[in-house]
Amino acid sequence: DAEITQSPRHKITETGRQVTLACHQTWNHNNMFWYRQDLGHGLRLIHYSYGVQDTNKGEVSDGYSVSRSNTEDLPLTLESAASSQTSVYFCASSDGGGAAGELFFGEGSRLTVL
Amino acid sequence: GDSVTQMEGPVTLSEEAFLTINCTYTATGYPSLFWYVQYPGEGLQLLLKATKADDKGSNKGFEATYRKETTSFHLEKGSVQVSDSAVYFCALSFHQAGTALIFGKGTTLSVSS
Repeated sequence: DAEITQSPRHKITETGRQVTLACHQTWNHNNMFWYRQDLGHGLRLIHYSYGVQDTNKGEVSDGYSVSRSNTEDLPLTLESAASSQTSVYFCASSDGGGAAGELFFGEGSRLTVL
Repeated sequence: GDSVTQMEGPVTLSEEAFLTINCTYTATGYPSLFWYVQYPGEGLQLLLKATKADDKGSNKGFEATYRKETTSFHLEKGSVQVSDSAVYFCALSFHQAGTALIFGKGTTLSVSS
């Protein structure tokens, strides 16, 4: 079955370190998204991509970057981790059909920055 | 800007009680509306959706009707079960292909037997 997987599922790092969270989907979806989930804020969009070599900033993109070199992967990089980036990160994808479509979510990556 | 507002939680109910979770939105234009559910330790999954005014989305006994006049999409279920305990998110997006969802803050539902 097609799926979307995130790794690592749990990560503890120190302030100032670079961290990369991986996201891989096997649906061949063009659209991929990264959200962070925090208590009291719900899900907020970090970055998204509508296809290979396309990346766009979301609501809370400062301190994060993404790259899209193929259809299946959208890694999220924290250039210099900060304690404010402690969160649960969700990757999602969609097929980008003519009407607004369903997003398929990964199981999340819990990041703790000490 | 575009936004979604959900009722504050947590919502605590006994099994077989009636559930309503309020959701209103602010948007320029006519978005599609969604309810997503997140079970403990899992990612979000689509519960139901409606793409135009007066549409009713339904799934697993849950229903929501797209009310343009009140800009609302309230989630209802006639008889909740313990297994419905989860976090529920209301969301919107526009009809442009693949646009990102804008989520509300989520409402935690806890159902006891």
